[in-house]
Amino acid sequence: DTAVSQTPKYLVTQMGNDKSIKCEQNLGHDTMYWYKQDSKKFLKIMFSYNNKELIINETVPNRFSPKSPDKAHLNLHINSLELGDSAVYFCASSLGRQETQYFGPGTRLLVL
Amino acid sequence: QQPVQSPQAVILREGEDAVINCSSSKALYSVHWYRQKHGEAPVFLMILLKGGEQKGHEKISASFNEKKQQSSLYLTASQLSYSGTYFCGTENTYKLSFGAGTTVTVRA
Repeated sequence: DTAVSQTPKYLVTQMGNDKSIKCEQNLGHDTMYWYKQDSKKFLKIMFSYNNKELIINETVPNRFSPKSPDKAHLNLHINSLELGDSAVYFCASSLGRQETQYFGPGTRLLVL
Repeated sequence: QQPVQSPQAVILREGEDAVINCSSSKALYSVHWYRQKHGEAPVFLMILLKGGEQKGHEKISASFNEKKQQSSLYLTASQLSYSGTYFCGTENTYKLSFGAGTTVTVRA
């Protein structure tokens, strides 16, 4: 059984489009995260939710909007995609805010 | 603020040892270590929760010096499967900030 899953795995789109990435975890965890990993492999946190509430919102453009319909899901919607948004986006979850994080397989986004 | 990892890269022969260092300019509450293989997601190795703590899994171990705001990861008698990029994550006020990573290549 997949613990943290993301869809889609690959996403190729044109500049200016709007796209969503979905994340689901079946671990019963309370906390979920979105990370962006750029071409230099630098892994940077974007958002963190605890029990559906936003607890961390790093300096991320307003074009990025996370949504957590329930504890098991954290989706990421991106408006007006730009070339610089090309990266791998990882979803992760943890039991609590200071616990081990389990990462999803990643979504490779390429903006043309 | 992200921690600083050193070295950036290391190449080893099977059986050799290596040390990866991670330091922060801020007080640390915990240090997490992850390994990421090419094209895959980061995978948890270990977490150190307090100063002086040392942990190990098989021949990979880590230490945490809270006062110096540093942690080190020790790869002992490296195996081919140890190849990958190692990230330290330092936790401060519930936020995990990752270092730039150390790429480890183990050759036969």
